[in-house]
Amino acid sequence: GNSVTQMEGPVTLSEEAFLTINCTYTATGYPSLFWYVQYPGEGLQLLLKATKADDKGSNKGFEATYRKETTSFHLEKGSVQVSDSAVYFCALRGRDDKIIFGKGTRLHILP
Amino acid sequence: KAGVTQTPRYLIKTRGQQVTLSCSPISGHRSVSWYQQTPGQGLQFLFEYFSETQRNKGNFPGRFSGRQFSNSRSEMNVSTLELGDSALYLCASSPALQDSGTQYFGPGTRLLVL
Repeated sequence: GNSVTQMEGPVTLSEEAFLTINCTYTATGYPSLFWYVQYPGEGLQLLLKATKADDKGSNKGFEATYRKETTSFHLEKGSVQVSDSAVYFCALRGRDDKIIFGKGTRLHILP
Repeated sequence: KAGVTQTPRYLIKTRGQQVTLSCSPISGHRSVSWYQQTPGQGLQFLFEYFSETQRNKGNFPGRFSGRQFSNSRSEMNVSTLELGDSALYLCASSPALQDSGTQYFGPGTRLLVL
């Protein structure tokens, strides 16, 4: 079946550091890929998405590129801020239309 | 526009009881999905409803059921509660099936089973 694997946290970085959170997937066909974020005390919200190979999703300085050849959708940001501290979830929607989430990566940004 | 609302926000039940959780989607959204979130298993898909029909179901036992009403509001029911059902239950709505990956989540109902 379909699955999503993302790096385990927590990830701790200093402000203005470069961020990468790895995400790889297993799916038949061409799934849609998503990154969701859960800020402390708030609900899950969509951060960015990509629906076909080589698409790049971007939002709030975050980017992720849909790489079919490596079945990856890594999340990156060039310069993180304290306000980026949150839990990040990688997800896919497969041909069966079910959405599968990764286990989440907790990110701590130190001032 | 008001966001997705879930009631109640917190619930304590004992083993063997049943529970009903409610979700009101964003106005105009017709697709509602339910998820169970636990520290060990993460976010797991329960089911999805669209226009009062269940169109997708995750790998949960039959004790977990749901329904959707004509106004798109949805309820999920868990019967014969087990300790392992303690979790945060999240509801999410989408405008349409074609964009069901873009979901808007509610704050969740935290269920504790004693």
